[in-house]
Amino acid sequence: NAGVTQTPKFQVLKTGQSMTLQCAQDMNHEYMSWYRQDPGMGLRLIHYSVGAGITDQGEVPNGYNVSRSTTEDFPLRLLSAAPSQTSVYFCASSYSKLGVQYFGPGTRLTVT
Amino acid sequence: EDQVTQSPEALRLQEGESSSLNCSYTVSGLRGLFWYRQDPGKGPEFLFTLYSAGEEKEKERLKATLTKKESFLHITAPKPEDSATYLCAVLGLMTTDSWGKLQFGAGTQVVVTP
Repeated sequence: NAGVTQTPKFQVLKTGQSMTLQCAQDMNHEYMSWYRQDPGMGLRLIHYSVGAGITDQGEVPNGYNVSRSTTEDFPLRLLSAAPSQTSVYFCASSYSKLGVQYFGPGTRLTVT
Repeated sequence: EDQVTQSPEALRLQEGESSSLNCSYTVSGLRGLFWYRQDPGKGPEFLFTLYSAGEEKEKERLKATLTKKESFLHITAPKPEDSATYLCAVLGLMTTDSWGKLQFGAGTQVVVTP
């Protein structure tokens, strides 16, 4: 199993551009989530999904969209990038509500 | 609101010098406390889950303990390969329709020198 994979690993965007961060898992996990990690702060939840077709907002959802058309994939879309979205983004998946969340390797995004 | 505070922010140890990391939390109805290890440029890697006060888990040189207000990660006789940032996260009360959301601390950066 590859576990949780994320692409790209690095990305530089200009303010106002849009892009999609890809996340896939091959563990048949129902629960998936997106976090951002900033220096000195804990990981913060952006959006999450409890199954295909079901998504909800986390702690810091503004400026981001998600969809979940399959169990395997959970892409994160930046609609109009802003410098405040410069961060490292992690995708995670879990087999149950109380289960351990397994993280991908991350995408480092810089918005200039 | 759920809160997680980790201390110290950074810890520098000599190889073999045991120490403890602290994770204090306030949460409505603890469902689980998780410890992760994160190496530079990588995603968090799961270490332990603790569910109730008094519980302990061990893995090699690491031992995690839990009370009603805090958790400790004890590192016994650390080696340079134990250098990493250690993250603590809590899972609080969930409604029947919602998924519990992990609340993370900012982490403790541990450096072990030979």
